[in-house]
Amino acid sequence: AQSVTQPDIHITVSEGASLELRCNYSYGATPYLFWYVQSPGQGLQLLLKYFSGDTLVQGIKGFEAEFKRSQSSFNLRKPSVHWSDAAEYFCAVAPNGGATNKLIFGTGTLLAVQP
Amino acid sequence: DAGVTQSPTHLIKTRGQQVTLRCSPKSGHDTVSWYQQALGQGPQFIFQYYEEEERQRGNFPDRFSGHQFPNYSSELNVNALLLGDSALYLCASSPGLAGGYNEQFFGPGTRLTVL
Repeated sequence: AQSVTQPDIHITVSEGASLELRCNYSYGATPYLFWYVQSPGQGLQLLLKYFSGDTLVQGIKGFEAEFKRSQSSFNLRKPSVHWSDAAEYFCAVAPNGGATNKLIFGTGTLLAVQP
Repeated sequence: DAGVTQSPTHLIKTRGQQVTLRCSPKSGHDTVSWYQQALGQGPQFIFQYYEEEERQRGNFPDRFSGHQFPNYSSELNVNALLLGDSALYLCASSPGLAGGYNEQFFGPGTRLTVL
């Protein structure tokens, strides 16, 4: 069965420091992968997605993610974190080749940013 | 554009009662999906509506039902509420079924508390 694992429940980084959030997936075929961010009182916002092609994907707000098939990973990175990046981040995979709206989410990583 | 809107924002019910949650999709979107997000968990797919029909369903009991109206808005109904139904219910909309390809836009959610 398809699944997504986010090993880190909480991460704290200092403002200006680099960030990497881990995501591992289990999926037989080429996965359709997503990163979403959720701020309190807000809906999920799409940061970036990977369908095929270049394994390094650029997203909004200065985020990027790298797809590594050999490691079944899709880690999210940002070179310099801002205080406004504090939020919960979810990795997700779309089964069925993305043919439907169903997404399978990980349990999320809560990011805290220290001044 | 108001984006995806949901009502009510918060709701408190008691066990055994029934509840109806409402969602208006983003302008131009005709497909609505519903997700349940329990505390500390990632969203879980409940079902998806397109052309007023349920097109795909996640692993949720029949107590969870829905409806889509001709104007593409949608309702989620939950009967015989259990304590475990307490969660944030998210609505997502997209243009067409292929939400894996087309970005899904999420609403802020309805927080349901079952006492």
